[in-house]
Amino acid sequence: NAGVTQTPKFQVLKTGQSMTLQCAQDMNHNSMYWYRQDPGMGLRLIYYSASEGTTDKGEVPNGYNVSRLNKREFSLRLESAAPSQTSVYFCASRTTGRGNTEAFFGQGTRLTVV
Amino acid sequence: SQKIEQNSEALNIQEGKTATLTCNYTNYSPAYLQWYRQDPGRGPVFLLLIRENEKEKRKERLKVTFDTTLKQSLFHITASQPADSATYLCALDAGSARQLTFGSGTQLTVLP
Repeated sequence: NAGVTQTPKFQVLKTGQSMTLQCAQDMNHNSMYWYRQDPGMGLRLIYYSASEGTTDKGEVPNGYNVSRLNKREFSLRLESAAPSQTSVYFCASRTTGRGNTEAFFGQGTRLTVV
Repeated sequence: SQKIEQNSEALNIQEGKTATLTCNYTNYSPAYLQWYRQDPGRGPVFLLLIRENEKEKRKERLKVTFDTTLKQSLFHITASQPADSATYLCALDAGSARQLTFGSGTQLTVLP
């Protein structure tokens, strides 16, 4: 049982380059999330998806796009990377609806934009 | 605007003592409140969930309280051990909105 898998684990981008962070879960969860974590800032929600085919903005969505490809996969895209997007990105999933449950997190993607 | 505050960025205590971490929130009406542990270089790991109609929840050496009038949750680790050293995050769950919003965390160090 893999849980939540994120790829890649590390990435260095040049300013202006684009990339997609991949996330997949094998727990049949309906809700999936993308967070970024910066020193002293905690986890800030970028986007989330409450079900396949729906996505909603979180606290810091600017500069990002997401796709809920199917129930298992939720990707995060940076179209034109900026140094301010240097951060650690976490994907999470959980069951919501009739009683919400705890979130399960991936191992994170450490992104550096130079 | 909604705000979640955890009492301090860092907390040091002696082994064997009880650690108490605080999570305060404003302009928010969570249906649930959750606590997570995060070790360096790893993703957060779930510890406990408490519902708005529950006052207290326990799990082994952990205890969480939830006061919706004070808009505060307290997280206690009794008989603390150096292995309990980590960052602890509280998270507010509005229920139907599906969002899960985190505080900035408290870094706990248990000194031997």
